[in-house]
Amino acid sequence: KNQVEQSPQSLIILEGKNCTLQCNYTVSPFSNLRWYKQDTGRGPVSLTIMTFSENTKSNGRYTATLDADTKQSSLHITASQLSDSASYICVVSAQAAGNKLTFGGGTRVLVKP
Amino acid sequence: DADVTQTPRNRITKTGKRIMLECSQTKGHDRMYWYRQDPGLGLRLIYYSFDVKDINKGEISDGYSVSRQAQAKFSLSLESAIPNQTALYFCATSGDRAYNEQFFGPGTRLTVL
Repeated sequence: KNQVEQSPQSLIILEGKNCTLQCNYTVSPFSNLRWYKQDTGRGPVSLTIMTFSENTKSNGRYTATLDADTKQSSLHITASQLSDSASYICVVSAQAAGNKLTFGGGTRVLVKP
Repeated sequence: DADVTQTPRNRITKTGKRIMLECSQTKGHDRMYWYRQDPGLGLRLIYYSFDVKDINKGEISDGYSVSRQAQAKFSLSLESAIPNQTALYFCATSGDRAYNEQFFGPGTRLTVL
C-alpha cells in the first residue's frame, strides 16, 4: 500500500529561525514528489515539485530535497516569518492510473514572534 | 485559489439529509477531483473525472456520488449524510498530464449532526 509519513506532526519555532520537515514514502512506482503549503481555512498551494532525477529545488525561502534511494524528502524553511505558520503537506505521485497522489498527514508549523 | 471556487464554504446539516457541494473552475482544466480531509490524516480521494464523460471512484467513494455537468463544473453529493462524513472537502483541478499538478479550491467545511 502506498504511504506517505511526515514528521514531526507539529512544531513551534521563533521568527527568524530555520526548521526542517521530514517526509518518508513507500509509493511505487515513483513519479514525482511535491510539497504543499496549507494555510488555515484554505486549500493547499504547491511549493515545489521534484522528479526522480532532481535532488533539490528551491522556492524563495523554501528548499526541498529528495533522496529517491532512501525514499525520503525534506523541506527546509529559512529565516522563518509569521506568514510561514501553516500545515505543510508532502504528496507523492505514482506512475500509474493518471499519476494518483498519496498525501501525507502534514506538519503543522507555528512561527512565534 | 480564485480559479477554483467551491460552494458553500460552510454547511451544517442533519443525519439523513441530502447535500450537494459544488465546484467550478476557470482554469480550463480537463481533470477534476474531490477529496476529503480529516484532522491529522492526509487528503483522501473520493471521486475524479478526466473529462465530462469520464467518472471514476477514488479510495473512499462509498456514500458519495458525483456529477460532471460541464468541463468547468463538478458536484459532489451525499445522498444521506451521516456524522462520520463531517470533514473538510476540497475540489481540485489538473491540466497537466505529465505531473498531475493539482490546484485546490478553498474547501467546504461540512458538519453532519
